[in-house]
Amino acid sequence: GAVVSQHPSWVICKSGTSVKIECRSLDFQATTMFWYRQFPKQSLMLMATSNEGSKATYEQGVEKDKFLINHASLTLSTLTVTSAHPEDSSFYICSASRPSGAALGEQFFGPGTRLTVL
Amino acid sequence: GENVEQHPSTLSVQEGDSAVIKCTYSDSASNYFPWYKQELGKRPQLIIDIRSNVGEKKDQRIAVTLNKTAKHFSLHITETQPEDSAVYFCAASLTGGGNKLTFGTGTQLKVEL
Repeated sequence: GAVVSQHPSWVICKSGTSVKIECRSLDFQATTMFWYRQFPKQSLMLMATSNEGSKATYEQGVEKDKFLINHASLTLSTLTVTSAHPEDSSFYICSASRPSGAALGEQFFGPGTRLTVL
Repeated sequence: GENVEQHPSTLSVQEGDSAVIKCTYSDSASNYFPWYKQELGKRPQLIIDIRSNVGEKKDQRIAVTLNKTAKHFSLHITETQPEDSAVYFCAASLTGGGNKLTFGTGTQLKVEL
């Protein structure tokens, strides 16, 4: 159990366009989902935390108007990179956590989305 | 906020040797400390975790130790194998506080034949 999927697995887009990435928890309800960005040879950096039905909480330095997060249901969160530029090229990874139980605190990661902006 | 430091950044060992990766954290309220293995282009994979009510946890060749007083935790891999080669990340969080994970900077482990 605790499977998280992401779509697409990779995307190439032109500068100035918007890209939407989906994150789904397939076999559990995720009260909280997280979005990370990982540049080559670097660590995962948390971008934002989203709770179903409420506005996302963004980390310092992350532009909320550029990275739009929607958490419309307990199994789906989306990240939209608006007006993408080459510097937004990165590996975007989502994760989800369950509200209680033995795995309290554990995050279940999606497979990631490789975004390349030309 | 939480700050996690990780050392070393790279580690090369001979097959069969042990590998140790160390992390320190800054927020004494943190109570959950997972370790992840990440292969190139893949998702982080949880390999072991420890909670603040225990000092050590072992799972076959992998063990984690936690010193809450010193705010240190370490990953120990024994009898290393080539397939252990990957990047390893430590992390820290406060459960019940949104589970926000703060990651260390990563250790590139290379197990040589």
